[in-house]
Amino acid sequence: DTEVTQTPKHLVMGMTNKKSLKCEQHMGHRAMYWYKQKAKKPPELMFVYSYEKLSINESVPSRFSPECPNSSLLNLHLHALQPEDSALYLCASSRTYRAGSPLHFGNGTRLTVT
Amino acid sequence: DQQVKQNSPSLSVQEGRISILNCDYTNSMFDYFLWYKKYPAEGPTFLISISSIKDKNEDGRFTVFLNKSAKHLSLHIVPSQPGDSAVYFCAASGMGYGGSQGNLIFGKGTKLSVKP
Repeated sequence: DTEVTQTPKHLVMGMTNKKSLKCEQHMGHRAMYWYKQKAKKPPELMFVYSYEKLSINESVPSRFSPECPNSSLLNLHLHALQPEDSALYLCASSRTYRAGSPLHFGNGTRLTVT
Repeated sequence: DQQVKQNSPSLSVQEGRISILNCDYTNSMFDYFLWYKKYPAEGPTFLISISSIKDKNEDGRFTVFLNKSAKHLSLHIVPSQPGDSAVYFCAASGMGYGGSQGNLIFGKGTKLSVKP
């Protein structure tokens, strides 16, 4: 069982829909991350929140909008996505945002954009 | 340009033998290196890490070796078990890399199959 919980596990949405991915951790970690993983590729960083503040935005299109309501929750709001955005979206957390602080990943949300 | 490279997409090993997974990197600013294991339909699971000031770190059956001059690290699993069959990702991070901290750069992964 993973200590980072992501919902939903699967999501199918049209290009005009608005949906949200949710992530929760109760390990007291103060850094939370969104990664995107395409088939047969490594995970790629999208966003980092450290102490509930956005620290990194890896040039992600504005149709992806992250939100960190508190230290345990991380959301990713989706709007007007493209079919090429279909991927596995992974949430992760770490005790701090220091290099070497291991990331703990959730099991991901498999997103399909039709 | 790939900064973390795992040149073997797959590796097959007999149960009880040693599995050696290799990883090369190009950026000398990387300070920490981590190995993750990933089963299908699950997120990556942290296995073991090593700081650039060390050349070896051991945790049970898993040992990571770092050769900074060669920019090479390896993960040894001894003895290998069928439950170790998974995709193994090497990852690297560095203080101040790209102006950020803790940004993990992943390799493409090596699929390990341990045969009974």
